[in-house]
Amino acid sequence: DAGVIQSPRHEVTEMGQEVTLRCKPISGHDYLFWYRQTMMRGLELLIYFNNNVPIDDSGMPEDRFSAKMPNASFSTLKIQPSEPRDSAVYFCASSLDPPTGGGLETQYFGPGTRLLVL
Amino acid sequence: AQKITQTQPGMFVQEKEAVTLDCTYDTSDQSYGLFWYKQPSSGEMIFLIYQGSYDEQNATEGRYSLNFQKARKSANLVISASQLGDSAMYFCAEDSSYKLIFGSGTRLLVRP
Repeated sequence: DAGVIQSPRHEVTEMGQEVTLRCKPISGHDYLFWYRQTMMRGLELLIYFNNNVPIDDSGMPEDRFSAKMPNASFSTLKIQPSEPRDSAVYFCASSLDPPTGGGLETQYFGPGTRLLVL
Repeated sequence: AQKITQTQPGMFVQEKEAVTLDCTYDTSDQSYGLFWYKQPSSGEMIFLIYQGSYDEQNATEGRYSLNFQKARKSANLVISASQLGDSAMYFCAEDSSYKLIFGSGTRLLVRP
């Protein structure tokens, strides 16, 4: 079975440009998560969806960031306008259920998108 | 707020020996889960092992085991018979309220 698919794998853009990151979760997974990884801040949850509905976007840095999930098999994370401080690795993850105690509910990560904003 | 602490920024281990990576957590939730992920130099995040807060036995997955001490709020990862391919970053994570909170990671280097 295919895992979580992310595209592009690498993105280099100039400050001010719009960036769109894409994710296809594992088929049948109800939850989708977007994370950002930087050296300074480590891994941070940006937003997560349940059944295509955004549940918690408290980790989204600012209004320049937006995320959508138009259907169960596709999600996008958009940055407009991009800034050099947005340079990071962006991971998408999916799970069958939310990661809670008492059962083996696990988030499976995609390969990530390495974003560099010049 | 939840906090995950990994006090070992980097560690060395000799090939074929066992190694323990430390992780402590801080949550007031009664029900929670603890995860370990491996991140090799290629960058992907690979799930290794999970421990639920109500699990009475320590979780094991092949060469990985989790030394869960609930009263101490620790969830250390033990890798037995280290292999060169185990060289990577290792992240501990705790979940409650449907969010994964990650520690800062430990970089493990396995020496031949």
